[in-house]
Amino acid sequence: AQKVTQAQTEISVVEKEDVTLDCVYETRDTTYYLFWYKQPPSGELVFLIRRNSFDEQNEISGRYSWNFQKSTSSFNFTITASQVVDSAVYFCALSEAVNSGGYQKVTFGTGTKLQVIP
Amino acid sequence: DAGVTQSPTHLIKTRGQQVTLRCSPKSGHDTVSWYQQALGQGPQFIFQYYEEEERQRGNFPDRFSGHQFPNYSSELNVNALLLGDSALYLCASSFMTGVNTGELFFGEGSRLTVL
Repeated sequence: AQKVTQAQTEISVVEKEDVTLDCVYETRDTTYYLFWYKQPPSGELVFLIRRNSFDEQNEISGRYSWNFQKSTSSFNFTITASQVVDSAVYFCALSEAVNSGGYQKVTFGTGTKLQVIP
Repeated sequence: DAGVTQSPTHLIKTRGQQVTLRCSPKSGHDTVSWYQQALGQGPQFIFQYYEEEERQRGNFPDRFSGHQFPNYSSELNVNALLLGDSALYLCASSFMTGVNTGELFFGEGSRLTVL
């Protein structure tokens, strides 16, 4: 069974501070994909990043960076110099490997609500 | 380029009633997945449609059913509504190859309240 744990329910930071959102996952698959999605108040989930289980290189995209550590089953997300527009709920998610039919489902964590205070 | 569109955006039903939610996928996408997101929780996978057939299903009872049309749009039907069905229902679309990596494009959801 797959499981994604986001232990931080809510985080508040002051604008321009750095913040790290934690994600720990469990899976028996050797091939899997990890994701981060952002959900603003409008409700639409916005895709941020995808990593596969064979690529442990950290990635940076502007103010966003991701740290994937297979040894600790973690996929943490850091926002540098946070801005008010970063306020949202952030979900970490895990996708199993493709089954014989080519279909799969995505398992989401419970989310971390980030509030950036001006 | 239109993204994923869902209707209605909000609706209120009473216990025992039936509801139909609709989703139009992003242009060019052929696969539709439905998720239920209870308040304060992450989205839970309901089922996935491709080529007008249900291809995979999560742990939801048979009261939850769906359909995909030839134009790739989809409906989610819930019968005999329970109070616990109150949630945001999210539709996600993708290419079939996109499904293999789980990259999904979501709509803004339909918020269902059951009284």
